[in-house]
Amino acid sequence: GEDVEQSLFLSVREGDSSVINCTYTDSSSTYLYWYKQEPGAGLQLLTYIFSNMDMKQDQRLTVLLNKKDKHLSLRIADTQTGDSAIYFCAERYDGGSQGNLIFGKGTKLSVKP
Amino acid sequence: DADVTQTPRNRITKTGKRIMLECSQTKGHDRMYWYRQDPGLGLRLIYYSFDVKDINKGEISDGYSVSRQAQAKFSLSLESAIPNQTALYFCATSGAGNTEAFFGQGTRLTVV
Repeated sequence: GEDVEQSLFLSVREGDSSVINCTYTDSSSTYLYWYKQEPGAGLQLLTYIFSNMDMKQDQRLTVLLNKKDKHLSLRIADTQTGDSAIYFCAERYDGGSQGNLIFGKGTKLSVKP
Repeated sequence: DADVTQTPRNRITKTGKRIMLECSQTKGHDRMYWYRQDPGLGLRLIYYSFDVKDINKGEISDGYSVSRQAQAKFSLSLESAIPNQTALYFCATSGAGNTEAFFGQGTRLTVV
């Protein structure tokens, strides 16, 4: 079946850049997403990238997509303590006739002052 | 008001009891989903529905059932709850051509 892999933990110092990596298996994915989950809250869409793009920048967030290697990354510049959360990579899987979202296990980002 | 509302937010129930988790959305979307989140396992899809007459099993549907009462409502039932169904449950909705899924705040279910 389809699979999305990401490392479970990342720790950085405040002000540094964070890079969260993700690999996926479905080459026909149309969209790839990054969701953020703060403690006790639901998932919030941070950003997404269409599969025919290789980079997308949105303020402090940069998404890089290497479609050949099926590798997606999220870079957070000038990481703040408020960025501490779990970050989920997800792909929109359009196998069959309709699409589903397949999530990774989430990367817990800890930001130290 | 939230786009996706889940009730209850927290529930403790006993083994063997039937419990229903409810979800309603105001986005006007056709697609609705139920996910389960466990520590270290991410989100796993339980059931999904692409319209009122379309219900599909997800990755981990055993022990669960769903009902799509209307476009805006999608409920998840545990017919006979067991302790390993203790988890955080999320409802989500998305449009057919839309890029984003909108999530509820989650229901924390504990089965004792």
